[in-house]
Amino acid sequence: KAGVTQTPRYLIKTRGQQVTLSCSPISGHRSVSWYQQTPGQGLQFLFEYFSETQRNKGNFPGRFSGRQFSNSRSEMNVSTLELGDSALYLCASSLVEGAEAFFGQGTRLTVV
Amino acid sequence: KQEVTQIPAALSVPEGENLVLNCSFTDSAIYNLQWFRQDPGKGLTSLLLIQSSQREQTSGRLNASLDKSSGRSTLYIAASQPGDSATYLCAVVPGANNLFFGTGTRLTVIP
Repeated sequence: KAGVTQTPRYLIKTRGQQVTLSCSPISGHRSVSWYQQTPGQGLQFLFEYFSETQRNKGNFPGRFSGRQFSNSRSEMNVSTLELGDSALYLCASSLVEGAEAFFGQGTRLTVV
Repeated sequence: KQEVTQIPAALSVPEGENLVLNCSFTDSAIYNLQWFRQDPGKGLTSLLLIQSSQREQTSGRLNASLDKSSGRSTLYIAASQPGDSATYLCAVVPGANNLFFGTGTRLTVIP
């Protein structure tokens, strides 16, 4: 059974650009969550989707957005990139709410 | 607001030693608690999930306990090995499907 797959693994972008990250959950999992990990702030929750609906959102500016498709794959988008957006972005999937969460390997975003 | 604290921040032990990692949380109204390990630059690997109605879970050399009333969880690692070296993170789920993470404990097992 394939795990959570995130693409791309690494990205380098320039300030002001936008970026789209992709996450394919474990087959059958309908909940997908996104997290940002930085050395200073640790792991912070971005948002969670279930059956194409955003159910929960963390405390991030509106430049951070996401969506989920009918096959449960999810994308997150960051517009007008800032240097402080450099981080490891992690995606997690779970079967249902409150079930064990499984993480992908992450996308390392560097903004220069 | 839920806050999760892990002590110690870093720990070095000789191979073969048993050890305990601590996790405390401020709001006892949690749905479950999950322990993860993270290797440098990598994603998180799930180790154990404890439902709020459970007191402990075991997997191989790992045993995790949960005391909701006191807001504490411990991860016990028996007979530590160099391959156990990683950062260990605990996360609580308050109800909605988002995890609140602790700051982690960086474990080094010395051969």
